[in-house]
Amino acid sequence: AQSVTQPDIHITVSEGASLELRCNYSYGATPYLFWYVQSPGQGLQLLLKYFSGDTLVQGIKGFEAEFKRSQSSFNLRKPSVHWSDAAEYFCAVNQGGKLIFGQGTELSVKP
Amino acid sequence: KAGVTQTPRYLIKTRGQQVTLSCSPISGHRSVSWYQQTPGQGLQFLFEYFSETQRNKGNFPGRFSGRQFSNSRSEMNVSTLELGDSALYLCASSLGGFTDTQYFGPGTRLTVL
Repeated sequence: AQSVTQPDIHITVSEGASLELRCNYSYGATPYLFWYVQSPGQGLQLLLKYFSGDTLVQGIKGFEAEFKRSQSSFNLRKPSVHWSDAAEYFCAVNQGGKLIFGQGTELSVKP
Repeated sequence: KAGVTQTPRYLIKTRGQQVTLSCSPISGHRSVSWYQQTPGQGLQFLFEYFSETQRNKGNFPGRFSGRQFSNSRSEMNVSTLELGDSALYLCASSLGGFTDTQYFGPGTRLTVL
């Protein structure tokens, strides 16, 4: 069965610092990968997705992610974090139309 | 274009009762999926409806059921509520292809007392 692992449960970064959130997946074929963000009490907002082609994908709010097949990873990055980026981030893989999510990484931003 | 809407946003029920949650997809979207989010289990897939038929199902007991109407709106029903059913229930809509992106609603927060 496919699975998604987000090794970091909680990360704290300073405002203006760079950010990298890790995501590892297990899947036999080419995966369809997503990053979603969830603010407290809200639903999930799509940040970006990877289906095929260029392994570096750009998303909203200045986020990007890089697909590395050799490492089974799809890490999310942002060069300069803003206080409004504090939220929970979920990596997901599409398995035949259903999303399999990682456990999420909670991001805190300190001034 | 309006996003996915879910009603109600909050619900409080007692054990043994049943509950119905509603989801209206983005206009033109024909697939609606439901997910349960809890602190312990995270986000788990419940089921997916496409063209009024359940097309995909997760590993939840039969107390969890759903349906989809001809206008693609979907309802989810949970019967004989248990304390462990307390969760945020999220629905997501997509155009309907297996690889189409799913867009989520704000969720319904269900508390079972």
